[in-house]
Amino acid sequence: GAVVSQHPSRVICKSGTSVKIECRSLDFQATTMFWYRQFPKQSLMLMATSNEGSKATYEQGVEKDKFLINHASLTLSTLTVTSAHPEDSSFYICSPRGTGEKLFFGSGTQLSVL
Amino acid sequence: ELKVEQNPLFLSMQEGKNYTIYCNYSTTSDRLYWYRQDPGKSLESLFVLLSNGAVKQEGRLMASLDTKARLSTLHITAAVHDLSATYFCAVDLKGSGSRLTFGEGTQLTVNP
Repeated sequence: GAVVSQHPSRVICKSGTSVKIECRSLDFQATTMFWYRQFPKQSLMLMATSNEGSKATYEQGVEKDKFLINHASLTLSTLTVTSAHPEDSSFYICSPRGTGEKLFFGSGTQLSVL
Repeated sequence: ELKVEQNPLFLSMQEGKNYTIYCNYSTTSDRLYWYRQDPGKSLESLFVLLSNGAVKQEGRLMASLDTKARLSTLHITAAVHDLSATYFCAVDLKGSGSRLTFGEGTQLTVNP
């Protein structure tokens, strides 16, 4: 089956620093990448959708200048949380879209901002 | 705006028992997905339901879809402890290109 690699799996950072999360589709090309956020004991919420080579589309309430998304290639997308604050602490999950009916998810990144 | 509601949100059951989780959604959908999530982990795909009347089964889990009622069910048969997890349904809004809206999740605990 398809493999999605997401790194890092866990990161702890100081308030005010930036954190980059990488998501790679290892054996298929992802023209679209979805980024989700999940707070403890809650469901997944879509943050943004990016298409390779174009600007990401952000969901209402998600700050585009704070969550920078780069989707420069068909196999790699990155999410950078800029000037992170404790309220950004969450579980971030990428979901690259290939062909076919199944959707794939990365293993997730647990971000803790001190 | 698409809304997806699951019930129950919490379910505690004994091994060997049967139970059903319900997923209601508010507008026309292309597809409905069921996922399992273990604590601290990402999502594991269980089922993809594409059309009205679709039924899929894997082991002790069976999912069905009624697009007219905008309802999907996940039925658990003879539960075992290993099924303890949080289960999410997710709906792909028609024409959205796989942007998923998730239900709140059902936290299932199967007691020995």
